[in-house]
Amino acid sequence: KAGVTQTPRYLIKTRGQQVTLSCSPISGHRSVSWYQQTPGQGLQFLFEYFSETQRNKGNFPGRFSGRQFSNSRSEMNVSTLELGDSALYLCASSPRGLEQYFGPGTRLTVT
Amino acid sequence: GQNIDQPTEMTATEGAIVQINCTYQTSGFNGLFWYQQHAGEAPTFLSYNVLDGLEEKGRFSSFLSRSKGYSYLLLKELQMKDSASYLCAVRVSGTYKYIFGTGTRLKVLA
Repeated sequence: KAGVTQTPRYLIKTRGQQVTLSCSPISGHRSVSWYQQTPGQGLQFLFEYFSETQRNKGNFPGRFSGRQFSNSRSEMNVSTLELGDSALYLCASSPRGLEQYFGPGTRLTVT
Repeated sequence: GQNIDQPTEMTATEGAIVQINCTYQTSGFNGLFWYQQHAGEAPTFLSYNVLDGLEEKGRFSSFLSRSKGYSYLLLKELQMKDSASYLCAVRVSGTYKYIFGTGTRLKVLA
């Protein structure tokens, strides 16, 4: 089975712009979660989707949003980018809502 | 509040045994997970504990005490490839939300 894929792998944006990141889960996995990883904070939970519904959201401002499509693929969007949004964004899929399988991440740099 | 504590860094010798501790304080508990993350790579799932006790999986074992809010990951017969960060995570009960610790960076020396 193919693993979790994320596109793009690297992205450079300017403050104030918006960005959309994409995640394709492992085939058959319906739960998709998003995380922000920074050296100081570690992995911070953004949100989790199952069958196109957001079931949980982390403590991030409304500039961070996401969605899931009927084929379980997911996107997350960050609007009005700030320098502090520079991070590795990881997507993870899960077959049972327990163990998670992570994608390689999207490295976002905001200048 | 939600808090997970792990040592920042540990060093051990090839062939030795190392124990990485994790303590947690979360509003509800529904499982503790350990992940391994090599530098520049994505985390990979190692183990899952939901009941008290020891779970063994090859060279890796994980222990949980829910009453103490404590877990440890035990790595035996250390190999150089075990040099990585080890992340402890708790699933909050009633949710699909996971709280991660900041990770323990393990260096295995020859």
